[in-house]
Amino acid sequence: EVQLLESGGGLVQPGGSLRLSCAASGFTFSSHAMTWVRQAPGKGLEWVSSIGGSGDSTYYADSVKGRFTISRDSSKNTLYMQMNSLRAEDTAVYYCAKDFRREPAAHQFNWFDPWGQGTLVTVSS
Amino acid sequence: DIQMTQSPSSLSASVGDRVTITCRASQGISSYLNWYQQKPGKAPKLLIYGASSLQSGVPSRFSGSGSGTDFTLTISSLQPEDFATYYCQESYSPVGFGGGTKVEIK
Repeated sequence: EVQLLESGGGLVQPGGSLRLSCAASGFTFSSHAMTWVRQAPGKGLEWVSSIGGSGDSTYYADSVKGRFTISRDSSKNTLYMQMNSLRAEDTAVYYCAKDFRREPAAHQFNWFDPWGQGTLVTVSS
Repeated sequence: DIQMTQSPSSLSASVGDRVTITCRASQGISSYLNWYQQKPGKAPKLLIYGASSLQSGVPSRFSGSGSGTDFTLTISSLQPEDFATYYCQESYSPVGFGGGTKVEIK
């Protein structure tokens, strides 16, 4: 059974940093791209970032580009998101998800399944 | 950027009703469209991929159709466990989500 377990969320002050982790099991980790999606309280889903199976290709939403860094460690089957210069608008539940494809790209069939249970990040003074 | 517009944003329906949710893309996205169901406090769950393919384990009362700019998610006979929020997601731009449609009990 594929399982994804996020951790690392919490309360952080504006301008602070946080690193999220997503431990994966039940599938060949390096054979799939991985993605972070967030959901602000009471709001819809927002794609944040994706990384290819090899870790060589990364993609970011404009809202986090330059502040967030996605990475992965295949030896630990773990996905990461380093979040710096956090803002109040980054407050959300952060989900990791397994991509259908090995490498994310535009103009291709790709979907996210399954998703982790999410970890809450609150940016507030 | 591609804008994904879902309609309605919310609806009230009764058990047994046929429910249709629409997702419109601001430009053509072929069939690069997926649908998810999210219940309160839970992670989204994949229902439909590639616009019309039913994910394994998802009840057959769910179906998807469309291509290009207009897509539809249909629940043929609404069940109590179907009350949730539904999102479309495109994999053309490379990724974008619709704003969601909340299905509530009438």
